[in-house]
Amino acid sequence: SAVISQKPSRDICQRGTSLTIQCQVDSQVTMMFWYRQQPGQSLTLIATANQGSEATYESGFVIDKFPISRPNLTFSTLTVSNMSPEDSSIYLCSAVGTAREETQYFGPGTRLLVL
Amino acid sequence: GENVEQHPSTLSVQEGDSAVIKCTYSDSASNYFPWYKQELGKRPQLIIDIRSNVGEKKDQRIAVTLNKTAKHFSLHITETQPEDSAVYFCAASRISRLTIDISNFGNEKLTFGTGTRLTIIP
Repeated sequence: SAVISQKPSRDICQRGTSLTIQCQVDSQVTMMFWYRQQPGQSLTLIATANQGSEATYESGFVIDKFPISRPNLTFSTLTVSNMSPEDSSIYLCSAVGTAREETQYFGPGTRLLVL
Repeated sequence: GENVEQHPSTLSVQEGDSAVIKCTYSDSASNYFPWYKQELGKRPQLIIDIRSNVGEKKDQRIAVTLNKTAKHFSLHITETQPEDSAVYFCAASRISRLTIDISNFGNEKLTFGTGTRLTIIP
């Protein structure tokens, strides 16, 4: 199974600023995703992080607000830009392993509070 | 796109009794259905999954059933214990590696249900 870490684990930010969240996997993975989870709610997919190309965003999420990078098969970043209090949430990355495995593993999440 | 509904939103059972959580999905092309358990402040953890070519799967006290015709699947936990208390999420996905459908390659995104908060009463 893939082991996923995220940095930072939590942060408190001022509105109008940006925060970049890093996701590191301990092995090469085929797919990486970014989710948002509001307190007490389910997980909502933000985008699929594509290695070497632009991320694929879900409806309601745009690149200008949530730029994503994936420079290689083990690392991805999500930036939350021009933050507002409505962006306060938990952001989780996930990864799907090798070609013979469908299981999606999750990182520990980044808890973001925007004041 | 896929839509997954989950019921109930909260469930309380006496320790030792069984718990059942049900989900329905809308996309008949979905072929992979995992269940995740999320404890407070922790990441979602996969507890069991089922593929569309199987009707039932069991792992010790946990079982999942799938009815493709009705497009619903259920999680069954028997002999519940206090450590089973958590939020449980069902999900659905189209896994291209389970089929020879190259057009879906890379479309393994999960659509989650709304979650069930399970409380085991000692």
